[in-house]
Parts: sequence; C-alpha cells; structure tokens
Amino acid sequence: DTAVSQTPKYLVTQMGNDKSIKCEQNLGHDTMYWYKQDSKKFLKIMFSYNNKELIINETVPNRFSPKSPDKAHLNLHINSLELGDSAVYFCASSQGGVTRWTEAFFGQGTRLTVV
Amino acid sequence: RKEVEQDPGPFNVPEGATVAFNCTYSNSASQSFFWYRQDCRKEPKLLMSVYSSGNEDGRFTAQLNRASQYISLLIRDSKLSDSATYLCVVTSGAGGTSYGKLTFGQGTILTVHP
Repeated sequence: DTAVSQTPKYLVTQMGNDKSIKCEQNLGHDTMYWYKQDSKKFLKIMFSYNNKELIINETVPNRFSPKSPDKAHLNLHINSLELGDSAVYFCASSQGGVTRWTEAFFGQGTRLTVV
Repeated sequence: RKEVEQDPGPFNVPEGATVAFNCTYSNSASQSFFWYRQDCRKEPKLLMSVYSSGNEDGRFTAQLNRASQYISLLIRDSKLSDSATYLCVVTSGAGGTSYGKLTFGQGTILTVHP
C-alpha cells in the first residue's frame, strides 16, 4: 500500500501545453509538499500546504498552480510549459509536532520532459 | 551562504572502508534533522533521523551539534549497496512562512567499489 503516490510517472509534452500532476498520501499527514529536482540533482521546494492551506510558496513562476482539495491530496497544474520546466517533480508529506517533525515520505517522482 | 551545505564528493571508497559525511546548516531555529538516501532515478528515502544525543543504526552513526550547526553521518564497513547519494535535510520549526520546510543539501555521492 503506497504511502505517497503521484501520477503520472512520466510526462512528455510539447512546449506551450498545460499539464497536471496528481499526488495522494494515505499517512494522515497534515503537510504536503512539491519539490523540483533539476538536472544537477538539487531538490528545491516549490510549495507546501498544511491542512489545505498554502504555507510555502517559493519563487515559482505563476504558471505553476498547486491545489489541495483536502489534506490527503496536493495537485500541481502547469500552464504554458517551457523547456526549462523539464525536471523530476516530487510530492512529499510530513507531520509536524511540538518539538519536531516526522520524516517526510516521497512519491516516486514525475519525470517531466518538455520538447 | 547556502541554507544547508554538504561536500558533494564524489567519494569513491573500497568495500569495508569507513566514510564520513558532513553537513552544516545556517538557520539556528531549525527543528528536525535527517539523513536521506537517494538511488539513481528514485525518490529520496529516510536513512535515519539525527538527534543531539547521537544515534546509531547498525553500520550508520549520525551526530548533531546544535551549537556548531553541524550534522555528520558515519558509515562503517561500506557495502557495494551503500552506493547512492546521501542528502542532509533540515526542517524548519513551527510558525512563520517556513513552517515545516524541508531544506536539502546538494547531496554527497558515494561509490563503493569491490
């Protein structure tokens, strides 16, 4: 039973198209994230949501719009795709506490290629 | 200064070697600390949490020094299967615009050879 699942695993699309990536977690966590891993393998946060509320919105183009219909789901919609958007996108979830956070669980990643 | 800094390596070691990775972080209010492992074309997975008292899990030992803002990972008796990228991860505490933010180091590549 997969803890964090994201779909699709691979996405190849043309410049200018709009695409969505879906993510679901069954861990009961309150916080979900989107991370981007570029060609240099660096993982950089894009967004985080806590109980459906946007908490972190790093410097990300407006073409990227996250949506959290409930705390178990966090989707990412990308408009007008550009070549530079090609990367691996990871969804993750975690749970905060008074003094520490639990480990974060990651989805298997979506490898986006814009041609 | 990067928020979380690691030596990217690569580290190439023979089987059986002991190897140590270091990591520094800039935010003194950071709350939780982890080492993750990422295999090629896979998602990051937790290797171990890091506590101020230090903790050990088999061949792996992690240490945290809050005063120096320094985290370490020691791998003893390296195996071929230890070859991967090791990621130092720091989580911001409650409140503010960085609530729960996981910040990754750039990763240290380890290759263990026969």
